Amino acid sequence: GENVEQHPSTLSVQEGDSAVIKCTYSDSASNYFPWYKQELGKRPQLIIDIRSNVGEKKDQRIAVTLNKTAKHFSLHITETQPEDSAVYFCAGLDTGRRALTFGSGTRLQVQP
Amino acid sequence: DGGITQSPKYLFRKEGQNVTLSCEQNLNHDAMYWYRQDPGQGLRLIYYSQIVNDFQKGDIAEGYSVSREKKESFPLTVTSAQKNPTAFYLCASSMGPGLAADTQYFGPGTRLTVL
Repeated sequence: GENVEQHPSTLSVQEGDSAVIKCTYSDSASNYFPWYKQELGKRPQLIIDIRSNVGEKKDQRIAVTLNKTAKHFSLHITETQPEDSAVYFCAGLDTGRRALTFGSGTRLQVQP
Repeated sequence: DGGITQSPKYLFRKEGQNVTLSCEQNLNHDAMYWYRQDPGQGLRLIYYSQIVNDFQKGDIAEGYSVSREKKESFPLTVTSAQKNPTAFYLCASSMGPGLAADTQYFGPGTRLTVL
């Protein structure tokens, strides 16, 4: 099965700075890696995802990079804003059962 | 996301009771999933179903049961065998196997509290 580890567990940045969250995965056959943002008491919302046929994907201030050789992927948020404060989860697709395995989450706090 | 509904939003259970959490989707998705989230923790997979009339145990299935009699519905029963059921329960769905079909969308969740 898939095992996904996520670091750091908490991250505090100043408004306008960049934030980086890193994840590693174990399933070499895994080919799909989404990132979710969860605000307090709400459902996780998909913010960006990447498939193993590309190394990087951007969407405005958010980007994700993937290194298949090292089996790790990262979320990059530039020009952070207070509304970026939330818990972010990475996930990897368990190819055996075609279900996502989630990391333990990163609580991002953007200080005004 | 708007196509996945969960009810109730809040649920209170007495010890020894079975309770059923509802999950419905109108997205015509083949696959559906149940996750449990404890405070400050990640999401753990309870059960999943890739197609109607078929479902598989996830990582923490003990004390839970599901059915998938209809494509749009995937109810979760928390039985009395689940000794610590207080948690936030999230249902999700995806199109099913295939390119772009593994993307999961979540319902709003049910917060279960044992009294």
